[in-house]
Amino acid sequence: DAGVTQSPTHLIKTRGQQVTLRCSPKSGHDTVSWYQQALGQGPQFIFQYYEEEERQRGNFPDRFSGHQFPNYSSELNVNALWLGDSALYLCASSFFSGWTSGQETQYFGPGTRLLVL
Amino acid sequence: LAKTTQPISMDSYEGQEVNITCSHNNIATNDYITWYQQFPSQGPRFIIQGYKTKVTNEVASLFIPADRKSSTLSLPRVSLSDTAVYYCLVEYGNDMRFGAGTRLTVKP
Repeated sequence: DAGVTQSPTHLIKTRGQQVTLRCSPKSGHDTVSWYQQALGQGPQFIFQYYEEEERQRGNFPDRFSGHQFPNYSSELNVNALWLGDSALYLCASSFFSGWTSGQETQYFGPGTRLLVL
Repeated sequence: LAKTTQPISMDSYEGQEVNITCSHNNIATNDYITWYQQFPSQGPRFIIQGYKTKVTNEVASLFIPADRKSSTLSLPRVSLSDTAVYYCLVEYGNDMRFGAGTRLTVKP
């Protein structure tokens, strides 16, 4: 049973460029969340996708967008990259068990390390 | 402002029990508390999740008092391989907030 996978593992971009990161959820999971983790800090929630729609969003600008496909995999797109976007981007998947059932356990992938020069 | 707060670092010795506390004053009624372990250049690894009182699994225990404004992760008999950063995660409405992490160093 494959866990959460992410690609690529590392990426180098220059300021102003655009980047797309990819995530495949754990088998049986239907919800994907994305986090940004700067060096030495805790992960910061970007957004969450369920049923191909953005369900929740953290405090990130519109330059950060995403997509979820019918097979539950997901992409994170970042436009007009800044130096400050350099971070480890984490994808987490979970299974939605109902609106009143409480927090779903999230399982994380290894992350994509993005460096913006 | 909803905030999840943890100590920055802790030191311990092999074989000791380690307790790491997380404060989450504005936790909502239906929100769970989840703890993760993270090694350098890896994604966080799920340890334990709880809602109230006590939860125990094969690697840890989680204690949550009645007011749920804090929680304590307990690692029994730590080993050198438990050296890592430990995060608590709480969902505040539509915003999932990790603490800044507690760097645990286990010494021989």
